[in-house]
Amino acid sequence: NAGVTQTPKFRVLKTGQSMTLLCAQDMNHEYMYWYRQDPGMGLRLIHYSVGEGTTAKGEVPDGYNVSRLKKQNFLLGLESAAPSQTSVYFCASRKVMTGGLNTEAFFGQGTRLTVV
Amino acid sequence: DAKTTQPNSMESNEEEPVHLPCNHSTISGTDYIHWYRQLPSQGPEYVIHGLTSNVNNRMASLAIAEDRKSSTLILHRATLRDAAVYYCILTGSGGSNYKLTFGKGTLLTVNP
Repeated sequence: NAGVTQTPKFRVLKTGQSMTLLCAQDMNHEYMYWYRQDPGMGLRLIHYSVGEGTTAKGEVPDGYNVSRLKKQNFLLGLESAAPSQTSVYFCASRKVMTGGLNTEAFFGQGTRLTVV
Repeated sequence: DAKTTQPNSMESNEEEPVHLPCNHSTISGTDYIHWYRQLPSQGPEYVIHGLTSNVNNRMASLAIAEDRKSSTLILHRATLRDAAVYYCILTGSGGSNYKLTFGKGTLLTVNP
């Protein structure tokens, strides 16, 4: 069971460079999320998606873009990286609630991004 | 959105029970209470969730107050591997079911 896989696991960027983080899930989940976590902090929601082709802003969306062209993939893009975007990024997926049953989220192992 | 309040940190001894509290006084009638934990250098993992009744699984128990304004995650016998940050989260139902908002959680230290 692969679950939620994040690529890459580590990356160092120079200020102004761009990159895309890939999140892939093999559980056919409808909901997908991107979070960032800074030292000593909880997870803050960047963007989320409730289904293929739909995305929405979370708490801290500035400087990031996302796309969900396929149900199993959720991409997070940094168009012009800044040192303030140095963080650990986590992706999560979750099945939509059905039949009155609430569902749990599954998380990837994280991408550690450093912007210098 | 309903918020949760947790202590910043707690300490326990190995093989003793641990009771991690969470206050959610503004919880709505359809909000579920979820607990996740994050081990060092890992992504969060699901622990347990409930709506009104107490819940048990292989990892922990969840005790929910009758008025649902608070809950307690119970680890029956703490081990060193239980040292982690524990997050209490409310998730909506219906149209707001997708919401999954984390606070800062409780850092649990387990002493040998």
